[in-house]
Amino acid sequence: DSGVTQTPKHLITATGQRVTLRCSPRSEDLSVYWYQQSLDQGLQFLIHYYNGEERAKGNILERFSAQQFPDLHSELNLSSLELGDSALYFCASSLRGGSSTDTQYFGPGTRLTVL
Amino acid sequence: QQPVQSPQAVILREGEDAVINCSSSKALYSVHWYRQKHGEAPVFLMILLKGGEQKGHEKISASFNEKKQQSSLYLTASQLSYSGTYFCGTEFRSNDYKLSFGAGTTVTVRA
Repeated sequence: DSGVTQTPKHLITATGQRVTLRCSPRSEDLSVYWYQQSLDQGLQFLIHYYNGEERAKGNILERFSAQQFPDLHSELNLSSLELGDSALYFCASSLRGGSSTDTQYFGPGTRLTVL
Repeated sequence: QQPVQSPQAVILREGEDAVINCSSSKALYSVHWYRQKHGEAPVFLMILLKGGEQKGHEKISASFNEKKQQSSLYLTASQLSYSGTYFCGTEFRSNDYKLSFGAGTTVTVRA
């Protein structure tokens, strides 16, 4: 158990809908990262927040947005969902703001299925 | 910018050794290695910073060759518990704030 929690564990929804994925980092961590993992692909970095501020963006679609709240939990909002958005979404947290020696601790993931 | 991992998959018998490579077309500052078992979250193994250092985690070690822009992960005397998909995550400059992950190498260790 990494200490990172994600809810819900599974989510099934229809195309065109909007969903919110939630992540609570380890108690000592200030950074939160979001990743998407599809069947045929590795981990795709989406976005990184540090202490409430966006630090880096990866291949995140405009239909997706995220935020980190004052209590440091984070939410990833996915809207106008398409079949191709079906994937495992991981949240990870780390102590600092992306230091090269920072270990990222991954949560159990949310499996999103878009029908 | 995504690093390239090879091989894509490897099957081992218990006690055998294997090497997984992670190559980049850009200069690397650090390489992070993770292992993911089926249906679970990736688990951190080790970080290597530029400088050609080697590190170890149980009987798993890694090296980082800056000149070749490559890192290698060595599985020595493999155990059943080593089965899983290994990912390398690369950083191109200090404090890059994001990792680019390779497509993964699936390792199957059989008794």
